[in-house]
Amino acid sequence: GDSVTQMEGPVTLSEEAFLTINCTYTATGYPSLFWYVQYPGEGLQLLLKATKADDKGSNKGFEATYRKETTSFHLEKGSVQVSDSAVYFCALYSGNTPLVFGKGTRLSVIA
Amino acid sequence: DTAVSQTPKYLVTQMGNDKSIKCEQNLGHDTMYWYKQDSKKFLKIMFSYNNKELIINETVPNRFSPKSPDKAHLNLHINSLELGDSAVYFCASSQEGQRTQYFGPGTRLTVL
Repeated sequence: GDSVTQMEGPVTLSEEAFLTINCTYTATGYPSLFWYVQYPGEGLQLLLKATKADDKGSNKGFEATYRKETTSFHLEKGSVQVSDSAVYFCALYSGNTPLVFGKGTRLSVIA
Repeated sequence: DTAVSQTPKYLVTQMGNDKSIKCEQNLGHDTMYWYKQDSKKFLKIMFSYNNKELIINETVPNRFSPKSPDKAHLNLHINSLELGDSAVYFCASSQEGQRTQYFGPGTRLTVL
């Protein structure tokens, strides 16, 4: 079945450091790919998405590129802030299957 | 103007009780979902529902039953609560045929 694998956390970075959170997927067909973010004590918010190969999703300084050849959708940000501390979830939607999530990666940014 | 709302935000109850969590969306979507997030933050689909079809995840115990009075609401009823039901439950919605889902703020259920 469809699955998403994310790098294990937690990830701890200093403010202004470069962030990469790896995400790879297994899916039949042509999935749409998503990154959701969960800030402490809050619900899930859509961060960015990409619906086809080579698409780049971007929002709030975060970017991810849909790479079909490597089945990846890595999340990157050039300079993280303390306010970016959260749990980040990679997810896919393939055909009629509701979202399949990775296990989440906790990011802590220290000043 | 909250898009997807859930009540209550917190729910603490005793084992064996029956409880409900309500979800409402004002996005005009016609597909709604329930997800369960366990203590390790792992999210898993429980149900998806639209006007035409309820899709039940076979790993969900039949003590859990979604009920949809109309397109904008999808409530989750849980009978005979067990300790293992303690989790955060998220409601979500999407437009039929669209893949982007929008989530509610979650309901933290604690079974004592």
